[in-house]
Amino acid sequence: DTGVSQNPRHKITKRGQNVTFRCDPISEHNRLYWYRQTLGQGPEFLTYFQNEAQLEKSRLLSDRFSAERPKGSFSTLEIQRTEQGDSAMYLCASRPNPNTEAFFGQGTRLTVV
Amino acid sequence: SQQGEEDPQALSIQEGENATMNCSYKTSINNLQWYRQNSGRGLVHLILIRSNEREKHSGRLRVTLDTSKKSSSLLITASRAADTASYFCALRSSDGIKAAGNKLTFGGGTRVLVKP
Repeated sequence: DTGVSQNPRHKITKRGQNVTFRCDPISEHNRLYWYRQTLGQGPEFLTYFQNEAQLEKSRLLSDRFSAERPKGSFSTLEIQRTEQGDSAMYLCASRPNPNTEAFFGQGTRLTVV
Repeated sequence: SQQGEEDPQALSIQEGENATMNCSYKTSINNLQWYRQNSGRGLVHLILIRSNEREKHSGRLRVTLDTSKKSSSLLITASRAADTASYFCALRSSDGIKAAGNKLTFGGGTRVLVKP
């Protein structure tokens, strides 16, 4: 499978714990995006990487959130001191340039209890 | 707002009927894309229409774009039960700083139910 891969698919964590998600984009795609989606809503942009550079961060990305793409390949999204409001689907997407379609992974569903 | 807003929020039709949903936006765009999402899954790209295009087709899908009215429509003809999903428009803005034009901003979606 050469699509965008996200792990884990599901994560249940207790409030206050830290969680980390991983995204493996399509290999030749240098642009990688993270989105958050809550039930019944559209995806909300979180952050964007071009190669290893994080070029844009949404105001939704509080200090508890951090994303990295150290070698310009896979990316991680970490949430520290999780809160119940962090419960959502976290989607990763990649594309080779901004004029093309984005390819999405299946998402990581986070439940904070 | 840079995001699109879909209308209607929900649509229920019988199999074989056509489904039309609209997307309105406020910014200037480079391109507009439509995506489908089945419940609890990732998004699947349907069609990309550039700002200098007015209409595109893909199988049973037809997308129009009216940049003067800042609106787009997605038509699904001869719908099938398998078309049941949420449909989102996503914009690539041409406003603002260069980096801001690299992301897609999504609307809230239209939830389509096709009854067999």
